[in-house]
Amino acid sequence: SQQGEEDPQALSIQEGENATMNCSYKTSINNLQWYRQNSGRGLVHLILIRSNEREKHSGRLRVTLDTSKKSSSLLITASRAADTASYFCATDLYSSASKIIFGSGTRLSIRP
Amino acid sequence: DAGVIQSPRHEVTEMGQEVTLRCKPISGHNSLFWYRQTMMRGLELLIYFNNNVPIDDSGMPEDRFSAKMPNASFSTLKIQPSEPRDSAVYFCASSLRRGMVVTGELFFGEGSRLTVL
Repeated sequence: SQQGEEDPQALSIQEGENATMNCSYKTSINNLQWYRQNSGRGLVHLILIRSNEREKHSGRLRVTLDTSKKSSSLLITASRAADTASYFCATDLYSSASKIIFGSGTRLSIRP
Repeated sequence: DAGVIQSPRHEVTEMGQEVTLRCKPISGHNSLFWYRQTMMRGLELLIYFNNNVPIDDSGMPEDRFSAKMPNASFSTLKIQPSEPRDSAVYFCASSLRRGMVVTGELFFGEGSRLTVL
């Protein structure tokens, strides 16, 4: 079964707008990561946030983590056409060394 | 570094045939993961290795699936016999692990797209 569930499943926004994706998970984690996947390609790591961190920034990306709610969000600011992709959260489970489980993903489309 | 290398990129085979997928992780990485991606089931973790030792294979769907990592620079995922429902993209990923925790990102290969007719 999947550890993470992402919301929404699909998101379409205008170029320049901000995109927010959410991830909920079920069990305690060591860290949570976000990945991007372009069509037909492998996944590419975007950002990692540890369980003792609440917020992290990387360029136009902002990730938050709320361990009490078992949820995370990924914000992409000032979206560009090149941001069109699927985005996945991945959790490193606390109870299982190095078991990294991916969520169902959000398909993001940026309209020009 | 060339990144994680998977082969073949595409494989079309007939039901009942044996399929072997190969992965070369990034040099120095000590964790290796095999995932399967389908539209219906998303990204499923099949098996992962730490220091060449299989740690958790609970995601392997059936006995028809087996994986090996004979050394730090090579892993195989074998399906024998293959079935149409095995059609998917199979990804290999590697990472660096210290102690109980993967310390950073997973590096993915480009995947092997398997079609079983």
